Amino acid sequence: DTGVSQNPRHKITKRGQNVTFRCDPISEHNRLYWYRQTLGQGPEFLTYFQNEAQLEKSRLLSDRFSAERPKGSFSTLEIQRTEQGDSAMYLCASSPPVRGKQETQYFGPGTRLLVL
Amino acid sequence: AQSVTQPDIHITVSEGASLELRCNYSYGATPYLFWYVQSPGQGLQLLLKYFSGDTLVQGIKGFEAEFKRSQSSFNLRKPSVHWSDAAEYFCAVGNNDMRFGAGTRLTVKP
Repeated sequence: DTGVSQNPRHKITKRGQNVTFRCDPISEHNRLYWYRQTLGQGPEFLTYFQNEAQLEKSRLLSDRFSAERPKGSFSTLEIQRTEQGDSAMYLCASSPPVRGKQETQYFGPGTRLLVL
Repeated sequence: AQSVTQPDIHITVSEGASLELRCNYSYGATPYLFWYVQSPGQGLQLLLKYFSGDTLVQGIKGFEAEFKRSQSSFNLRKPSVHWSDAAEYFCAVGNNDMRFGAGTRLTVKP
C-alpha cells in the first residue's frame, strides 16, 4: 500500500515568490488534510477536503494561501508572495471514508520550505 | 476550544528503563486522542489512538496509553525503552482539525 506522497520534499525560494506543493493521498482516501509545522512545535491544522470540497479552513490560512483538490484525488497548496515567516514544514495527511465518527489520518513526509 | 498540553519538552531515559510521556487535553465533547511519533526526516507515524471503549489502548512498538477522563489525560507508556525509540512524540486531539501538542523529545541513553 503506497503511503501519502508529497513533492517537492524541499523548496528554497526568495521572499515574494510564489510556491506550490503537491500531495498525493493514499488511494481511495477521500479526506485530505494540510498542516504546517514550525521548528520545535507540533503540526498546526490548515485545511481539509472531503473529495473535492474544502470543508474547513483555519485562521492560519491567510489570503496568500490557497489549496485545491480539483478531482478529489491529489491536492495542491499554493503560497503567494512568500514571507520569511512561511518557512516551515508543510504536512499532508489523508484518511479513508468515515465508518464511525473519525478515521485515522496518515501523514506524508512533508515539504520543507525555506524562504530567504 | 480544543487544545493539548505536553508538559515535558525533553525527556532522557536509559535504555531498558520504563517511559511515561504526559499529555493533557481540553476538549468539549468525547475526545478522539492520538499519539504520533516523528523521527528526523520522517513523517508522523501513528502509535495508537483512542476513540471509545477500553480506556487502556495498545499500540505499535510496545507502546500503550491510558485515557483518564477525570484527569483529562492520555499518557503514553512503554515498559522498556529501546535506543530506536529516540524521537519526537506528539499527542493530538480532535476530529478533522486535529490539535497537536508541542511535542516531547525523547533521548535514550545507552
